[in-house]
Amino acid sequence: DGGITQSPKYLFRKEGQNVTLSCEQNLNHDAMYWYRQDPGQGLRLIYYSQIVNDFQKGDIAEGYSVSREKKESFPLTVTSAQKNPTAFYLCASSPGQGASGYTFGSGTRLTVV
Amino acid sequence: KQEVTQIPAALSVPEGENLVLNCSFTDSAIYNLQWFRQDPGKGLTSLLLIQSSQREQTSGRLNASLDKSSGRSTLYIAASQPGDSATYLCAVIKIKAAGNKLTFGGGTRVLVKP
Repeated sequence: DGGITQSPKYLFRKEGQNVTLSCEQNLNHDAMYWYRQDPGQGLRLIYYSQIVNDFQKGDIAEGYSVSREKKESFPLTVTSAQKNPTAFYLCASSPGQGASGYTFGSGTRLTVV
Repeated sequence: KQEVTQIPAALSVPEGENLVLNCSFTDSAIYNLQWFRQDPGKGLTSLLLIQSSQREQTSGRLNASLDKSSGRSTLYIAASQPGDSATYLCAVIKIKAAGNKLTFGGGTRVLVKP
């Protein structure tokens, strides 16, 4: 079955540490996205990529970095510059123009310890 | 700036009752609208996608309508079941030169009591 795989499901980060969240899709979608979800708040866009080797900042990109070296993969790195990284992170993909909607992964819960 | 609002924020109904979930948006120049379901601690599951040229979409017990002129969409769930308990999110999609913009509402948390 086609879909989006996020790993790990749970991740713990120490202060000052960088961590990387994985997102892989086998839907042959061109565009991929990272969202952050906090309790009581809506989903907020961190970064998105429309094609390989290109990506754009979303609404809350500070403290995060991404790469898009392969069409199937869009990893997100949470750097030490992100002061409040504890949240639920969701990866999504779409065929490109959004005509067929968006598909989401199962999420990664990141906790700072 | 597009703003998406979902009212009510929470809803509790007895099993068998029909559910009506509302979504309103401020900018009617949308490309399409998508309804999602989210269970606690899980990702988003797509329920229905309505293209901007469509008025409604149906899937089983679910029916979603779209009225672009008034900036509203409604998700109807017929004969609710306890398994329908979840948070329901609507999202509007707008095409931009720099990439599609997906804007979410805050969600409606639904509890269906047996």
